[in-house]
Amino acid sequence: QKEVEQNSGPLSVPEGAIASLNCTYSDRGSQSFFWYRQYSGKSPELIMSIYSNGDKEDGRFTAQLNKASQYVSLLIRDSQPSDSATYLCAVNRRNQGGKLIFGQGTELSVKP
Amino acid sequence: DAGVIQSPRHEVTEMGQEVTLRCKPISGHNSLFWYRQTMMRGLELLIYFNNNVPIDDSGMPEDRFSAKMPNASFSTLKIQPSEPRDSAVYFCASSLTRNTEAFFGQGTRLTVV
Repeated sequence: QKEVEQNSGPLSVPEGAIASLNCTYSDRGSQSFFWYRQYSGKSPELIMSIYSNGDKEDGRFTAQLNKASQYVSLLIRDSQPSDSATYLCAVNRRNQGGKLIFGQGTELSVKP
Repeated sequence: DAGVIQSPRHEVTEMGQEVTLRCKPISGHNSLFWYRQTMMRGLELLIYFNNNVPIDDSGMPEDRFSAKMPNASFSTLKIQPSEPRDSAVYFCASSLTRNTEAFFGQGTRLTVV
């Protein structure tokens, strides 16, 4: 079992729709969770952090965390073609000195 | 703030040569990470430091890879000797503490021919 798993996609949604990205992790000691966006040829860029169970909203983005199910998700409302990128889920293990592990990423394509 | 600074941005070298990648973390950040990214393997954690001390280097693929952090503002990743399969994009990232979000440099694209 991979430490952090994501559907590789590609996930294709029409412009204006909601894009839903999912991530599961294997270590219950994980304490911090992050979503990054990476455009082709660029470095990963942080878009959301979430530390406790529940939802966290920031503009068009909502991160959801369920530690009991070891599941974290990202919703993008009113998707735009500029949202087309690879989205990386990252999990931090404080009990391992802050080890930060990434999933393989989900490629999102927003069609005009 | 200038962000995480990596150099060089691109490196082309011949098999067997030594390669040194450099990273300057964000000032005041206490954790530093080195990653390698390829299409096949994604973003792999190679090694990370807290307060300049290496915490976990289990991701370093072989003894040919080594990393140092002599002070809070500088780290190097060295490959000696380099091989074609080392070709990848290498990222450095830093975070304020061991539990907070990390910020990435622009990466070094390494090609070993």
